[in-house]
Amino acid sequence: EAQVTQNPRYLITVTGKKLTVTCSQNMNHEYMSWYRQDPGLGLRQIYYSMNVEVTDKGDVPEGYKVSRKEKRNFPLILESPSPNQTSLYFCASSGGTRLTYEQYFGPGTRLTVT
Amino acid sequence: SQKIEQNSEALNIQEGKTATLTCNYTNYSPAYLQWYRQDPGRGPVFLLLIRENEKEKRKERLKVTFDTTLKQSLFHITASQPADSATYLCALSPPGGGADGLTFGKGTHLIIQP
Repeated sequence: EAQVTQNPRYLITVTGKKLTVTCSQNMNHEYMSWYRQDPGLGLRQIYYSMNVEVTDKGDVPEGYKVSRKEKRNFPLILESPSPNQTSLYFCASSGGTRLTYEQYFGPGTRLTVT
Repeated sequence: SQKIEQNSEALNIQEGKTATLTCNYTNYSPAYLQWYRQDPGRGPVFLLLIRENEKEKRKERLKVTFDTTLKQSLFHITASQPADSATYLCALSPPGGGADGLTFGKGTHLIIQP
Protein backbone atom coordinates (compact mmCIF):
# COMPACT_ATOMS: atom_id res chain seq x y z
CA GLU A 1 0.00 0.00 0.00
CA ALA A 2 1.34 3.41 -1.03
CA GLN A 3 1.83 5.46 2.07
CA VAL A 4 3.76 8.02 4.07
CA THR A 5 4.50 7.02 7.64
CA GLN A 6 5.51 9.26 10.51
CA ASN A 7 6.75 8.43 13.97
CA PRO A 8 5.95 9.11 16.67
CA ARG A 9 2.29 10.06 16.24
CA TYR A 10 2.18 11.85 19.59
CA LEU A 11 5.05 13.33 21.57
CA ILE A 12 5.22 15.38 24.74
CA THR A 13 8.65 16.73 25.57
CA VAL A 14 10.38 19.46 27.51
CA THR A 15 12.07 22.60 26.32
CA GLY A 16 15.59 22.03 25.03
CA LYS A 17 15.48 18.24 24.69
CA LYS A 18 16.50 17.30 21.16
CA LEU A 19 14.02 15.21 19.21
CA THR A 20 13.61 13.66 15.79
CA VAL A 21 10.37 12.95 13.96
CA THR A 22 10.85 10.33 11.27
CA CYS A 23 9.13 10.28 7.90
CA SER A 24 9.27 7.50 5.34
CA GLN A 25 7.53 6.95 1.99
CA ASN A 26 7.35 3.77 -0.11
CA MET A 27 6.44 5.37 -3.46
CA ASN A 28 9.92 6.22 -4.69
CA HIS A 29 8.98 9.91 -4.70
CA GLU A 30 11.67 12.50 -5.34
CA TYR A 31 9.97 15.32 -3.49
CA MET A 32 9.33 15.36 0.25
CA SER A 33 8.38 18.16 2.62
CA TRP A 34 7.45 19.01 6.17
CA TYR A 35 4.55 21.22 7.24
CA ARG A 36 3.25 22.43 10.53
CA GLN A 37 -0.43 23.18 11.08
CA ASP A 38 -1.64 25.59 13.72
CA PRO A 39 -5.17 26.86 14.41
CA GLY A 40 -5.87 30.02 12.45
CA LEU A 41 -2.59 29.77 10.52
CA GLY A 42 -3.20 26.78 8.31
CA LEU A 43 -0.49 24.57 6.82
CA ARG A 44 2.91 26.19 6.59
CA GLN A 45 5.92 24.62 4.93
CA ILE A 46 9.02 24.14 7.07
CA TYR A 47 11.51 22.46 4.72
CA TYR A 48 11.38 20.54 1.50
CA SER A 49 13.65 18.27 -0.49
CA MET A 50 13.66 17.79 -4.25
CA ASN A 51 15.88 14.70 -4.06
CA VAL A 52 18.62 12.98 -2.06
CA GLU A 53 21.04 15.46 -0.51
CA VAL A 54 18.96 18.41 -1.81
CA THR A 55 17.02 20.34 0.82
CA ASP A 56 15.68 23.88 0.99
CA LYS A 57 13.90 26.15 3.43
CA GLY A 58 10.18 26.69 3.32
CA ASP A 59 8.28 29.52 4.96
CA VAL A 60 9.00 28.73 8.63
CA PRO A 61 12.40 26.94 8.90
CA GLU A 62 13.71 28.55 12.10
CA GLY A 63 14.38 26.03 14.86
CA TYR A 64 14.25 22.99 12.54
CA LYS A 65 16.73 20.87 10.64
CA VAL A 66 16.23 18.16 8.05
CA SER A 67 18.35 15.69 6.15
CA ARG A 68 17.79 13.55 3.06
CA LYS A 69 20.38 10.81 2.97
CA GLU A 70 18.06 8.25 1.36
CA LYS A 71 15.21 8.80 -1.06
CA ARG A 72 12.58 7.23 1.18
CA ASN A 73 13.40 9.02 4.46
CA PHE A 74 13.17 12.67 5.45
CA PRO A 75 13.53 13.17 9.23
CA LEU A 76 12.68 16.44 10.95
CA ILE A 77 15.04 17.41 13.76
CA LEU A 78 14.36 19.88 16.54
CA GLU A 79 17.72 20.52 18.17
CA SER A 80 16.35 22.58 21.07
CA PRO A 81 12.55 22.53 21.06
CA SER A 82 10.64 25.47 22.49
CA PRO A 83 6.95 25.81 23.43
CA ASN A 84 6.20 27.78 20.25
CA GLN A 85 7.01 24.61 18.30
CA THR A 86 4.00 22.89 19.84
CA SER A 87 2.01 22.00 16.73
CA LEU A 88 0.65 19.30 14.44
CA TYR A 89 3.33 18.25 11.96
CA PHE A 90 2.79 16.61 8.59
CA CYS A 91 5.26 15.02 6.22
CA ALA A 92 4.30 14.83 2.54
CA SER A 93 5.76 13.36 -0.62
CA SER A 94 5.18 13.82 -4.32
CA GLY A 95 6.70 12.59 -7.55
CA GLY A 96 6.33 9.93 -10.17
CA THR A 97 3.76 11.50 -12.45
CA ARG A 98 4.43 15.18 -13.10
CA LEU A 99 0.83 15.66 -14.20
CA THR A 100 -0.87 16.21 -10.89
CA TYR A 101 1.92 16.93 -8.38
CA GLU A 102 -0.42 15.21 -5.95
CA GLN A 103 1.01 15.36 -2.46
CA TYR A 104 0.61 12.34 -0.23
CA PHE A 105 0.47 13.30 3.44
CA GLY A 106 1.42 11.26 6.47
CA PRO A 107 -0.96 10.81 9.41
CA GLY A 108 0.58 13.66 11.41
CA THR A 109 2.64 14.01 14.58
CA ARG A 110 1.16 16.00 17.42
CA LEU A 111 4.01 17.58 19.36
CA THR A 112 3.69 19.32 22.71
CA VAL A 113 6.70 21.14 24.16
CA THR A 114 6.37 22.16 27.81
CA SER B 1 4.63 35.75 -1.26
CA GLN B 2 1.23 34.45 -2.23
CA LYS B 3 -1.81 35.42 -0.15
CA ILE B 4 -4.74 33.03 -0.22
CA GLU B 5 -8.21 33.60 1.16
CA GLN B 6 -10.74 30.89 1.84
CA ASN B 7 -14.06 31.34 3.66
CA SER B 8 -12.97 31.54 7.26
CA GLU B 9 -16.44 30.81 8.61
CA ALA B 10 -17.88 27.31 8.55
CA LEU B 11 -20.21 26.63 5.65
CA ASN B 12 -23.47 24.88 6.53
CA ILE B 13 -25.27 23.20 3.63
CA GLN B 14 -28.32 21.00 3.59
CA GLU B 15 -27.87 17.45 2.35
CA GLY B 16 -28.56 17.10 -1.35
CA LYS B 17 -27.72 20.71 -2.19
CA THR B 18 -24.59 21.92 -3.95
CA ALA B 19 -21.80 23.22 -1.72
CA THR B 20 -19.60 25.93 -3.24
CA LEU B 21 -16.28 26.86 -1.66
CA THR B 22 -14.14 29.81 -2.70
CA CYS B 23 -10.38 30.26 -2.97
CA ASN B 24 -9.09 33.73 -3.80
CA TYR B 25 -5.47 34.73 -4.24
CA THR B 26 -3.91 38.14 -4.47
CA ASN B 27 -0.45 37.96 -6.03
CA TYR B 28 1.00 36.00 -8.93
CA SER B 29 -1.07 33.55 -10.93
CA PRO B 30 -0.11 29.97 -10.09
CA ALA B 31 0.72 27.44 -12.77
CA TYR B 32 -1.81 25.12 -11.14
CA LEU B 33 -4.13 24.96 -8.18
CA GLN B 34 -5.07 21.93 -6.09
CA TRP B 35 -7.88 21.10 -3.70
CA TYR B 36 -7.47 18.81 -0.70
CA ARG B 37 -9.84 17.38 1.88
CA GLN B 38 -8.80 17.16 5.53
CA ASP B 39 -10.64 15.32 8.28
CA PRO B 40 -9.98 16.21 11.95
CA GLY B 41 -6.57 15.04 13.15
CA ARG B 42 -5.64 13.54 9.77
CA GLY B 43 -3.44 14.51 6.88
CA PRO B 44 -4.91 16.27 3.83
CA VAL B 45 -6.00 14.08 0.93
CA PHE B 46 -5.64 15.25 -2.67
CA LEU B 47 -8.86 15.72 -4.63
CA LEU B 48 -8.30 17.66 -7.85
CA LEU B 49 -5.79 19.75 -9.77
CA ILE B 50 -6.60 22.46 -12.30
CA ARG B 51 -4.03 24.22 -14.48
CA GLU B 52 -3.89 27.92 -15.34
CA ASN B 53 -5.04 27.26 -18.92
CA GLU B 54 -8.05 25.17 -17.82
CA LYS B 55 -11.42 26.66 -16.96
CA GLU B 56 -13.06 23.67 -15.35
CA LYS B 57 -12.29 20.17 -14.07
CA ARG B 58 -14.71 17.49 -12.92
CA LYS B 59 -14.41 14.28 -10.94
CA GLU B 60 -17.59 12.45 -10.00
CA ARG B 61 -19.59 14.91 -7.82
CA LEU B 62 -16.73 17.40 -7.64
CA LYS B 63 -16.15 20.35 -9.95
CA VAL B 64 -13.41 22.96 -9.84
CA THR B 65 -13.27 26.19 -11.82
CA PHE B 66 -10.33 28.53 -12.23
CA ASP B 67 -10.60 32.16 -13.26
CA THR B 68 -7.17 33.79 -13.53
CA THR B 69 -8.75 37.18 -14.28
CA LEU B 70 -10.71 37.15 -11.03
CA LYS B 71 -7.84 35.31 -9.28
CA GLN B 72 -10.34 32.82 -7.98
CA SER B 73 -11.11 29.12 -7.89
CA LEU B 74 -14.48 27.68 -6.98
CA PHE B 75 -14.91 24.14 -5.66
CA HIS B 76 -18.35 22.59 -5.98
CA ILE B 77 -19.73 19.42 -4.42
CA THR B 78 -23.05 18.45 -5.98
CA ALA B 79 -25.65 16.25 -4.26
CA SER B 80 -23.80 16.83 -0.99
CA GLN B 81 -23.84 14.16 1.72
CA PRO B 82 -23.06 14.29 5.46
CA ALA B 83 -19.91 12.25 4.68
CA ASP B 84 -18.65 15.26 2.69
CA SER B 85 -18.33 17.21 5.95
CA ALA B 86 -14.66 18.11 6.35
CA THR B 87 -12.22 20.97 5.93
CA TYR B 88 -11.28 21.72 2.33
CA LEU B 89 -7.95 23.33 1.50
CA CYS B 90 -6.84 24.99 -1.69
CA ALA B 91 -3.15 24.99 -2.54
CA LEU B 92 -1.40 27.13 -5.15
CA SER B 93 1.78 26.31 -7.00
CA PRO B 94 4.56 28.78 -7.62
CA PRO B 95 4.26 30.59 -10.99
CA GLY B 96 6.74 28.27 -12.68
CA GLY B 97 4.92 25.13 -11.60
CA GLY B 98 6.75 22.22 -10.11
CA ALA B 99 6.08 20.29 -6.94
CA ASP B 100 7.96 22.55 -4.58
CA GLY B 101 6.68 25.62 -2.82
CA LEU B 102 2.94 24.92 -2.66
CA THR B 103 1.12 27.53 -0.60
CA PHE B 104 -1.97 26.35 1.27
CA GLY B 105 -5.01 28.33 2.25
CA LYS B 106 -6.31 28.04 5.80
CA GLY B 107 -9.25 25.94 4.66
CA THR B 108 -13.03 26.09 4.79
CA HIS B 109 -14.90 23.90 7.24
CA LEU B 110 -17.90 22.39 5.44
CA ILE B 111 -20.81 20.92 7.37
CA ILE B 112 -23.48 18.99 5.50
CA GLN B 113 -26.62 18.78 7.57
CA PRO B 114 -28.90 15.74 7.13
